[in-house]
Amino acid sequence: NAGVTQTPKFQVLKTGQSMTLQCAQDMNHNSMYWYRQDPGMGLRLIYYSASEGTTDKGEVPNGYNVSRLNKREFSLRLESAAPSQTSVYFCASSVRDSSYEQYFGPGTRLTVT
Amino acid sequence: GENVEQHPSTLSVQEGDSAVIKCTYSDSASNYFPWYKQELGKRPQLIIDIRSNVGEKKDQRIAVTLNKTAKHFSLHITETQPEDSAVYFCAASIENYGQNFVFGPGTRLSVLP
Repeated sequence: NAGVTQTPKFQVLKTGQSMTLQCAQDMNHNSMYWYRQDPGMGLRLIYYSASEGTTDKGEVPNGYNVSRLNKREFSLRLESAAPSQTSVYFCASSVRDSSYEQYFGPGTRLTVT
Repeated sequence: GENVEQHPSTLSVQEGDSAVIKCTYSDSASNYFPWYKQELGKRPQLIIDIRSNVGEKKDQRIAVTLNKTAKHFSLHITETQPEDSAVYFCAASIENYGQNFVFGPGTRLSVLP
């Protein structure tokens, strides 16, 4: 099993450009999450999908959109990137019903200039 | 909403000594408290967790204690080793909020040889 995979690993954008971060999991997990990690602020939840077909806002959703394409894939889109969105983005997944453990992907380091 | 504080932000110990990291949470409805370890440039990984019906849990050199009345929980690492050097995050989650996590800001632990 590959677990949780993310693409790309690194990305540099100019202000105003758009891009989509891809995430996939092969553990048959129901729930998927997008976090951003900034120095001194821990991991903050952007959006989550409790199950296929549903998405909900987390703590810091402004400037982002998500799509739960199917049970395996959950993408995060930046429509008009801003320097404040420079961060490391982690996708995670969990079974949720029997275990609360979240499994994280390797992360995407995004820089917006 | 839930707020999680974590102290200290940095901690240096000599190899073989013990390390203690403390977290407090604000929402008395929180009922699950995981600890994640993140090595430099890597993804966060669960190292131990505790549920609100348990006061203490131990796994080899790692233990977590929970005081529900005071709304705080702590990570204890004994006989520290250089490979314990990492950033540690605590989190709290609420069952009626879909078990989503609110993370603390992290503690950078350095184990000095």
